[in-house]
Amino acid sequence: AQSVTQLGSHVSVSEGALVLLRCNYSSSVPPYLFWYVQYPNQGLQLLLKYTTGATLVKGINGFEAEFKKSETSFHLTKPSAHMSDAAEYFCAVNDNFNKFYFGSGTKLNVKP
Amino acid sequence: KAGVTQTPRYLIKTRGQQVTLSCSPISGHRSVSWYQQTPGQGLQFLFEYFSETQRNKGNFPGRFSGRQFSNSRSEMNVSTLELGDSALYLCASSLGLGRNEQFFGPGTRLTVL
Repeated sequence: AQSVTQLGSHVSVSEGALVLLRCNYSSSVPPYLFWYVQYPNQGLQLLLKYTTGATLVKGINGFEAEFKKSETSFHLTKPSAHMSDAAEYFCAVNDNFNKFYFGSGTKLNVKP
Repeated sequence: KAGVTQTPRYLIKTRGQQVTLSCSPISGHRSVSWYQQTPGQGLQFLFEYFSETQRNKGNFPGRFSGRQFSNSRSEMNVSTLELGDSALYLCASSLGLGRNEQFFGPGTRLTVL
């Protein structure tokens, strides 16, 4: 069975500080992993994805994530937070049947 | 390429009524999935259609139904609306072959009074 756990429903950082959003997964098959971002009253937008190959994945807006099989983790990071990064972030895993399992989301607040 | 479009964007209904939401996927995408998003429950999977066939289904009552047309456009219907059906309904499309990312529409905000 597949599942996704996002630690911390709310994360607050200062502008310019490191952003770290945690995601752990369980998967009975080699995982395909995704991070999505959602701004208020909008749909989800793909930030980045891991399928196979290089475990450090770079996405849009300066975000990146590292797939660590031994830790079953796929944490999202950004070296320096910007006010425009304030949004809700969702981690997801995709199984062999193209069914997505989403985490409960982490709301990122960026303080000036 | 145009993105996923959903209509209407906002909808207000009263309890007991029924509602139909529409989703047009990205051109060439054959899979359409529907999600319900609420503050308390987060993102919950409703169902997925591929080539006009329901391929996956979440744990929702039979009041929630959907269909897909030959041009891959999809509709979902909720009958006998309840207050708890108030939510943002998101549609996502993907190529449908293999394990591809999903592209989301802006959603339909349904309010049940």
